[in-house]
Amino acid sequence: NAGVTQTPKFQVLKTGQSMTLQCAQDMNHNSMYWYRQDPGMGLRLIYYSASEGTTDKGEVPNGYNVSRLNKREFSLRLESAAPSQTSVYFCASRVIGAGYGYTFGSGTRLTVV
Amino acid sequence: DAKTTQPPSMDCAEGRAANLPCNHSTISGNEYVYWYRQIHSQGPQYIIHGLKNNETNEMASLIITEDRKSSTLILPHATLRDTAVYYCIVRVNTGTASKLTFGTGTRLQVTL
Repeated sequence: NAGVTQTPKFQVLKTGQSMTLQCAQDMNHNSMYWYRQDPGMGLRLIYYSASEGTTDKGEVPNGYNVSRLNKREFSLRLESAAPSQTSVYFCASRVIGAGYGYTFGSGTRLTVV
Repeated sequence: DAKTTQPPSMDCAEGRAANLPCNHSTISGNEYVYWYRQIHSQGPQYIIHGLKNNETNEMASLIITEDRKSSTLILPHATLRDTAVYYCIVRVNTGTASKLTFGTGTRLQVTL
C-alpha cells in the first residue's frame, strides 16, 4: 500500500515547454486534488476531481489542465510552462464522506527557467 | 467559506505540551475542523479532525470550544520531530467533493 505516488519528484523545464505531472493512489479513494505551494506560502488548490470522470477548477487553475484517467490516476498538465509556475506540486486523495482526512503525496518540485 | 487565524510561529520545549490555537469564528454548523502538519517540504500529514466534540488519537488532542469559534491542537509531549508547520483548516463542502483551503499555518519549533 503506497498511498499517493507522484512522479517525477523533480523537474526543470524551459519556458514554453510542456509536461505532465502524474499522480496515482492505491487506496480506492473517490476524490483527488492538485495543489501548488510557493515558498513560504500555504497550499493553493489548482484542480480537483470529485469522482472518476469529473473535474473542477480550484483557486488557481490558469495555465493548467487535468485528466482523471481512471479512479486511481489524476494527471496535471502544463501546456506552456512559465516561470510563475515554478512551485512544489502536491497531489492528494480522499474518500467521499463526512470527516474523512486527505492523504497527500510527497510532491513534485518544478522549476521553470 | 470559514477562514482560520493562527499565530505565525510558536516555540515549545521538548517533552512539554504544545498548544496550538486556531480561530475560526465564521465556521458553519456542518463544517469540520481539520489539522494537518507539514514537516520541512514534505506533503502535508493528517493529524486529527473534529466537528463539535473534543477528539483524541495517538498523535494529538483537539479541543473545540462550545461555540465552535476556536480550537486548540495539543501535542501532549512534543519532540524535536514535531517541528513543522501546523495548518488549521475548516473544510469547505462543494457538492460531492470537499476542498481544503490552506492558510499559512503556525510554524512550531521544538527545542531542547
